[in-house]
Amino acid sequence: KQEVTQIPAALSVPEGENLVLNCSFTDSAIYNLQWFRQDPGKGLTSLLLIQSSQREQTSGRLNASLDKSSGRSTLYIAASQPGDSATYLCAVRMNTGFQKLVFGTGTRLLVSP
Amino acid sequence: KAGVTQTPRYLIKTRGQQVTLSCSPISGHRSVSWYQQTPGQGLQFLFEYFSETQRNKGNFPGRFSGRQFSNSRSEMNVSTLELGDSALYLCASSLGSSSDIQYFGAGTRLSVL
Repeated sequence: KQEVTQIPAALSVPEGENLVLNCSFTDSAIYNLQWFRQDPGKGLTSLLLIQSSQREQTSGRLNASLDKSSGRSTLYIAASQPGDSATYLCAVRMNTGFQKLVFGTGTRLLVSP
Repeated sequence: KAGVTQTPRYLIKTRGQQVTLSCSPISGHRSVSWYQQTPGQGLQFLFEYFSETQRNKGNFPGRFSGRQFSNSRSEMNVSTLELGDSALYLCASSLGSSSDIQYFGAGTRLSVL
């Protein structure tokens, strides 16, 4: 059974810092991995999708990497801003799962002005 | 292009009642997936529908059911509500391929009293 863990569970940083969020998964037979952010009481916003054949994806100040063999992904946020405050979730799609996503436990990020 | 629309946004029900939640996917998307989010269990996959057929199912009791219509709109039904069914229910839509990004709606918050 796939298990997805995110460390740390919570992170508080001052504005302007670069930071890294971690995601680990136990079963490397994944099709792809997706990073989301969730604002309190809201739905999920897709940030980046990395296919299993890719090593990283970039969008603006965000960079996500994937090491499938070691079961790890990282989300790097450059020059953090208060608007980045949210819960960040990673989710993996298994090779045989169609659209089923297995979500991590989330990292709650607070960026202070 | 309109996003994923979920109605209603909030629901209050009592134990034993039943409830129907609705999800309208992004135009052109044929896959709709449903997830339950609770503080204790996080985000858990309920089921996925593609072209009116259930393609995948999570580990939830038979009280949870769904369907998809020919216009790809989907409904989820929960019968004989229990207190533990209180949660944020999220739906996601995609084109249907495993390599596609999933886009989430804002969710329906269900409170069972």
